[in-house]
Amino acid sequence: GQNIDQPTEMTATEGAIVQINCTYQTSGFNGLFWYQQHAGEAPTFLSYNVLDGLEEKGRFSSFLSRSKGYSYLLLKELQMKDSASYLCAVREETSYDKVIFGPGTSLSVIP
Amino acid sequence: NAGVMQNPRHLVRRRGQEARLRCSPMKGHSHVYWYRQLPEEGLKFMVYLQKENIIDESGMPKERFSAEFPKEGPSILRIQQVVRGDSAAYFCASSPPQGRKLFFGSGTQLSVL
Repeated sequence: GQNIDQPTEMTATEGAIVQINCTYQTSGFNGLFWYQQHAGEAPTFLSYNVLDGLEEKGRFSSFLSRSKGYSYLLLKELQMKDSASYLCAVREETSYDKVIFGPGTSLSVIP
Repeated sequence: NAGVMQNPRHLVRRRGQEARLRCSPMKGHSHVYWYRQLPEEGLKFMVYLQKENIIDESGMPKERFSAEFPKEGPSILRIQQVVRGDSAAYFCASSPPQGRKLFFGSGTQLSVL
């Protein structure tokens, strides 16, 4: 079966660092995405991991451990505009590209 | 290069009417996904299509819902005899062949009165 878990809500302070975790159990694995979604808007791409390790891109980093079925998104130097939902999504290893999303984590950045 | 275009942005229907949601993928993209999102929830997979072919419709309700992606023109998600529970945001995403990243449209907010 398919199961992707994320915390429902998180709160962090402006300027701080926050880590959003994602665990998954899916029918095979062929990559993991993180997307950001502001209320009422389309999801926008943040990162893609297919190999174990840390991928850094500016203030955002994403980590993957395939053996543990675990990923996290790390946001540094938080800004108010980072308040959004963060969606973890897994590409299943099938003959085609099926991408399944987790429930999302609503992050609130406070002054 | 225009992004993924969805229309209409907002759609209001009365119970029992039909809703047709359109999605034009990015140029060069031959794969289209449809997702449904309820307030405060994640994106629920509905259907995955390539040109003239439904690859996976395991997330589509068995009745009233259908999707197509013709050789020419946009992908269409059709909901017949809508009910209040169909009220949601419907997002379309596209990717190129062998592409990794999904590009999302702005979504269609369907409201059923």
